[in-house]
Amino acid sequence: QVQLVESGGGVVQPGRSLRLSCVASGFTFSNNGMHWVRQAPGKGLEWVAIISYEGFNKYYGDSVKGRFTISRDNSKNTLYLQMNSLRADDTAVYYCAKENAATLGIDYWGQGTLVTVSS
Amino acid sequence: QTVVTQEPSLTVSPGGTVTLTCASNTGAVTSGYYPNWFQQKPGQAPRALIYSTSNKYSWTPARFSGSLLGGKAALTLSGVQPEDEAEYYCLLYYGGAQPWVFGGGTKLTVL
Repeated sequence: QVQLVESGGGVVQPGRSLRLSCVASGFTFSNNGMHWVRQAPGKGLEWVAIISYEGFNKYYGDSVKGRFTISRDNSKNTLYLQMNSLRADDTAVYYCAKENAATLGIDYWGQGTLVTVSS
Repeated sequence: QTVVTQEPSLTVSPGGTVTLTCASNTGAVTSGYYPNWFQQKPGQAPRALIYSTSNKYSWTPARFSGSLLGGKAALTLSGVQPEDEAEYYCLLYYGGAQPWVFGGGTKLTVL
């Protein structure tokens, strides 16, 4: 069965950096695009970034563009999110999610990892 | 700025029918926006329900259906069950530099 396990969350000071990881299993990771989606406490879902199956194409939400970088290592079945210049409003649960290969969208989600930006 | 709008909250009686909608400030939502719908219960990750407007996953209960209605994407629940109480989110595809946008979510109460 498809499993997505995020890690790397924690408490970080404003202006610092953090890297999230998502280890995938149960499907052919190198065949699927992957998303990051976040959810601030008590708020709705916000789409963050997507990377194509081979890692060549990357797109970002306006609120993270220029600060966050999505990447992947298909040899390790792992997705990453490098987050720089963190701000208090980046505080959220970060989910990795698998792209639906047959059509556009998301079919599977991880359980999420909490990032708290606070001094 | 692209904004996707959903009803903030809806209430439905057990066994009833309710329709949630998803609108775009860029104009009518069509199948080319590949509407997706997700359910999220408190403390849980979202779960996919519908993709490409009306297609269900193997785990999607039959009482959930997706459609286009009056220029919006729609999610209809028929024969609502108490366990359907949750937050529901739509996701639309716009392509370009920021290809995906979530709606603000609808909190569905079953009462």
